[in-house]
Amino acid sequence: LAKTTQPISMDSYEGQEVNITCSHNNIATNDYITWYQQFPSQGPRFIIQGYKTKVTNEVASLFIPADRKSSTLSLPRVSLSDTAVYYCLVGERTGANNLFFGTGTRLTVIP
Amino acid sequence: EAGVAQSPRYKIIEKRQSVAFWCNPISGHATLYWYQQILGQGPKLLIQFQNNGVVDDSQLPKDRFSAERLKGVDSTLKIQPAKLEDSAVYLCASSLDLAGGNYGYTFGSGTRLTVV
Repeated sequence: LAKTTQPISMDSYEGQEVNITCSHNNIATNDYITWYQQFPSQGPRFIIQGYKTKVTNEVASLFIPADRKSSTLSLPRVSLSDTAVYYCLVGERTGANNLFFGTGTRLTVIP
Repeated sequence: EAGVAQSPRYKIIEKRQSVAFWCNPISGHATLYWYQQILGQGPKLLIQFQNNGVVDDSQLPKDRFSAERLKGVDSTLKIQPAKLEDSAVYLCASSLDLAGGNYGYTFGSGTRLTVV
């Protein structure tokens, strides 16, 4: 089970691009990288998942370098509503070991 | 589509009492998970079901926690007897299959348990 390391917290002003990096030095060949967002009093919400290079959807981009030992979640032009905890998960796509949550990164967007 | 439904939303009990939580996953989702989230920490997996069978319950404290998923749809998680350290939010999640499909796993809003 690959361990992940993320910054505990980050602050950003509204309208800026935010990049949250996750380190996973022991990532295995079959592991995928998944990011979840959690607001207070809600369950985590799936944001994006990738295996290598770059993945983009309507809310975020995920950048994964060739060695896959880290990944960066990019949130374009954040707003106050993006204030949340962001979790980076690493594991195989099947089975419960792909849903091991660390402590996450608490992002605070400032007006 | 309707999300993952959980009830009750909040529960306060005294230590040594029993409590049960209910989860109704998204229709058609074969995989169901229960998580425990202690304040300030990430969610911790307790048990995983595939249809009505248990796939992984290695993290479930079986001396006091039990869970079932009869008929492969709704699920209940029970704690008996509760301890102070069981105070947490209990989250239920579901997915189409073990791989999570294209949209990962969908979580409910959770049940916040306070043991006094």
